[in-house]
Amino acid sequence: AQSVTQPDIHITVSEGASLELRCNYSYGATPYLFWYVQSPGQGLQLLLKYFSGDTLVQGIKGFEAEFKRSQSSFNLRKPSVHWSDAAEYFCAVPRGGSQGNLIFGKGTKLSVKP
Amino acid sequence: GAVVSQHPSWVICKSGTSVKIECRSLDFQATTMFWYRQFPKQSLMLMATSNEGSKATYEQGVEKDKFLINHASLTLSTLTVTSAHPEDSSFYICSALRTGYYNEQFFGPGTRLTVL
Repeated sequence: AQSVTQPDIHITVSEGASLELRCNYSYGATPYLFWYVQSPGQGLQLLLKYFSGDTLVQGIKGFEAEFKRSQSSFNLRKPSVHWSDAAEYFCAVPRGGSQGNLIFGKGTKLSVKP
Repeated sequence: GAVVSQHPSWVICKSGTSVKIECRSLDFQATTMFWYRQFPKQSLMLMATSNEGSKATYEQGVEKDKFLINHASLTLSTLTVTSAHPEDSSFYICSALRTGYYNEQFFGPGTRLTVL
């Protein structure tokens, strides 16, 4: 069965420092992969997605993610974190063959120190 | 990107009353919409898949008589929490599926339900 693991529940980084949020997936075929961000009390905003092609995907707000099939990973990165990046980040994969029905990881909460 | 709205953004109700939450896709038609529930500090859990013109498909453990879903048009799905109780208090998020070469899900801003 498809699954998503985000090993880090909470990460704290200093403003200006680099960031990497981990995501590992279990999927039978080449997956579609998504990263979403959720600010407190808000819905989800899509940061980036991987469907096919180039394994390094650029997203909004300066985020990028790299699909590594050999490691079953899709880690999210940002070279320099801003205080406004503090939020909850969710990695997701489709359930079964449907691209619409998503399974979410448990999320990683990002705190940013001034 | 596509826009999905939810109304209301927050609601407080008394135990035993029913609450209706609307989910609208504003700039595209969505045959399929999804309803999620999110408990504090937890991930999103899919409650049901709403299909325009047909019955919703509920996930295991979700009471379909308690969480009524109506997808009457290609831009509107509603979730009605019937006879709400304090344990139904949660953050409810809908999403709409935009189909195309790649199907993509767009999320609403969520509705905070508090049952007293």
